[in-house]
Amino acid sequence: DVKVTQSSRYLVKRTGEKVFLECVQDMDHENMFWYRQDPGLGLRLIYFSYDVKMKEKGDIPEGYSVSREKKERFSLILESASTNQTSMYLCASSSPSEASNQPQHFGDGTRLSIL
Amino acid sequence: RKEVEQDPGPFNVPEGATVAFNCTYSNSASQSFFWYRQDCRKEPKLLMSVYSSGNEDGRFTAQLNRASQYISLLIRDSKLSDSATYLCVVNIRGGANNLFFGTGTRLTVIP
Repeated sequence: DVKVTQSSRYLVKRTGEKVFLECVQDMDHENMFWYRQDPGLGLRLIYFSYDVKMKEKGDIPEGYSVSREKKERFSLILESASTNQTSMYLCASSSPSEASNQPQHFGDGTRLSIL
Repeated sequence: RKEVEQDPGPFNVPEGATVAFNCTYSNSASQSFFWYRQDCRKEPKLLMSVYSSGNEDGRFTAQLNRASQYISLLIRDSKLSDSATYLCVVNIRGGANNLFFGTGTRLTVIP
């Protein structure tokens, strides 16, 4: 069974702090994703990585950066946290060999509050 | 216009009822379709893929109507454990980063 693990379930940070959200997957998936989920807006893609050190912007990359130094780990960084980044953050992974049909596997989510 | 739209609900149904959700998508070239289930404060999990010919998994039936650009999920004999939010997911252009998620339809099954 695919396991996607996010480092924290709940996190509270202050405005202006640099925040790191970590995600690890154990299925040797090339693709990894970061989403945020907000009421009424659904899941929105922040960044996507298809290989080590490779990244692509999603729909809402502003205020975020990512790091993929190892295949199994994909980090989301909030450079200077703001209150509008309070949200549920979901990491996912998938296999590119079945890109159109292989659904994404999600981590448990990190509920981040910026005060 | 959103890529994927669903009725947010909530749908409140008694145990044993049959309930159906629809989801519309805007891009006629969309290639693959899924229903995910998300429990409160949990991550989305794949419920079932949706195939062109329609497919069934126990009490759940998924259908695709390409002409009208919608997919549906039918749940028969609803159980209390079916209470969750159901997300419609569409792969618009193929490729791993082209999944679009609906905002979800909330279902509550009442004893």
